[in-house]
Amino acid sequence: KAGVTQTPRYLIKTRGQQVTLSCSPISGHRSVSWYQQTPGQGLQFLFEYFSETQRNKGNFPGRFSGRQFSNSRSEMNVSTLELGDSALYLCASSRGSNYEQYFGPGTRLTVT
Amino acid sequence: AQTVTQSQPEMSVQEAETVTLSCTYDTSESDYYLFWYKQPPSRQMILVIRQEAYKQQNATENRFSVNFQKAAKSFSLKISDSQLGDAAMYFCAYRTLNAGGTSYGKLTFGQGTILTVHP
Repeated sequence: KAGVTQTPRYLIKTRGQQVTLSCSPISGHRSVSWYQQTPGQGLQFLFEYFSETQRNKGNFPGRFSGRQFSNSRSEMNVSTLELGDSALYLCASSRGSNYEQYFGPGTRLTVT
Repeated sequence: AQTVTQSQPEMSVQEAETVTLSCTYDTSESDYYLFWYKQPPSRQMILVIRQEAYKQQNATENRFSVNFQKAAKSFSLKISDSQLGDAAMYFCAYRTLNAGGTSYGKLTFGQGTILTVHP
């Protein structure tokens, strides 16, 4: 069974631009969570989607948004990029409640 | 809000020996899950072991075992017979178990411990 895939793997953007990251979960998984990883703040939860509904959101500004499609694939969008948004963005999928999360390889975003 | 603390930024161990990584957490909840994840240099996060708070028995997965002390809110990871491939950043993580018996996906992570394995 294929693992969680994230595209693109690497991205360089300029301050003020916007970016969209994509996550394809493991087949059959309906839950997708997003995390931001930085050296200073560590791993922080962004949001979680289950069956196209956002059911949990972390403490991030409104510039960070996401959505989930009917095939469980998810995207996250960051608008008006800031230098501090440079990070590794990790996506994790699971079958649903009470099941383990499996992580993708991440998207490395660099904002210049 | 829950917090997870890993007090050891770095640890090292000789190949074939045993090492223990520490984790403490703070929560007012009685039911929850605890996890250890491994993140090698490739950055792919891998689940190592999982513990349900309502289970008194410590979880074990091959060379990996935990010492779960619920009252002390402590959750340490023991790696036996350490191998070079165990070298990675290890994260302790907490997840709520909601009252309805379901658990939403939010993981709260500690700051991580870098484990070096010497040949």
